[in-house]
Amino acid sequence: SQQGEEDPQALSIQEGENATMNCSYKTSINNLQWYRQNSGRGLVHLILIRSNEREKHSGRLRVTLDTSKKSSSLLITASRAADTASYFCATDAIDYKLSFGAGTTVTVRA
Amino acid sequence: GAVVSQHPSRVICKSGTSVKIECRSLDFQATTMFWYRQFPKQSLMLMATSNEGSKATYEQGVEKDKFLINHASLTLSTLTVTSAHPEDSSFYICSASQGGGSFEQYFGPGTRLTVT
Repeated sequence: SQQGEEDPQALSIQEGENATMNCSYKTSINNLQWYRQNSGRGLVHLILIRSNEREKHSGRLRVTLDTSKKSSSLLITASRAADTASYFCATDAIDYKLSFGAGTTVTVRA
Repeated sequence: GAVVSQHPSRVICKSGTSVKIECRSLDFQATTMFWYRQFPKQSLMLMATSNEGSKATYEQGVEKDKFLINHASLTLSTLTVTSAHPEDSSFYICSASQGGGSFEQYFGPGTRLTVT
């Protein structure tokens, strides 16, 4: 069943601005991952953060994890038109099955 | 590395026919493959987990006789939608994992199924 909830559902920003989206989950996790999906396409893995990590960076991406609040955030800095996509968080528990959040649709305006 | 392909990318079929979707790991051995379904503007819902050489494990509410999954080799899993109906129209995505403690899943590009 879906565990992650994301907000906002949709986000529209100007190119060059930062985009922040949040994910909350309900039960204990091993890891939390963020994926990007362009319209009608498969998922692209962006970043994985383990339950014992608090922050992780990858290029223009910054992910934080607060296990006490059961929440994570994804920050995309200096956004580009190519960042327009839906972003999903996914958590995995004991059986390593992924449970996806509802997703945040990001539109970057040129 | 870690490329997963799906075939076909799009398929249109008539109601009552069966459709087979293939998922292949191209450059690694996938001990475990997962099948997801995604409705428009919604998230991915896990349908089933398949381990090479054994029967698939279906999530609650997913009919195993409707969605036949075969994972005959370490690089190929197939999903067959039997007696398809318009409500089966959806985007089907597979993922593959090397397993053995490595939990990262690599996703295929998805298959758009339209049942008329």
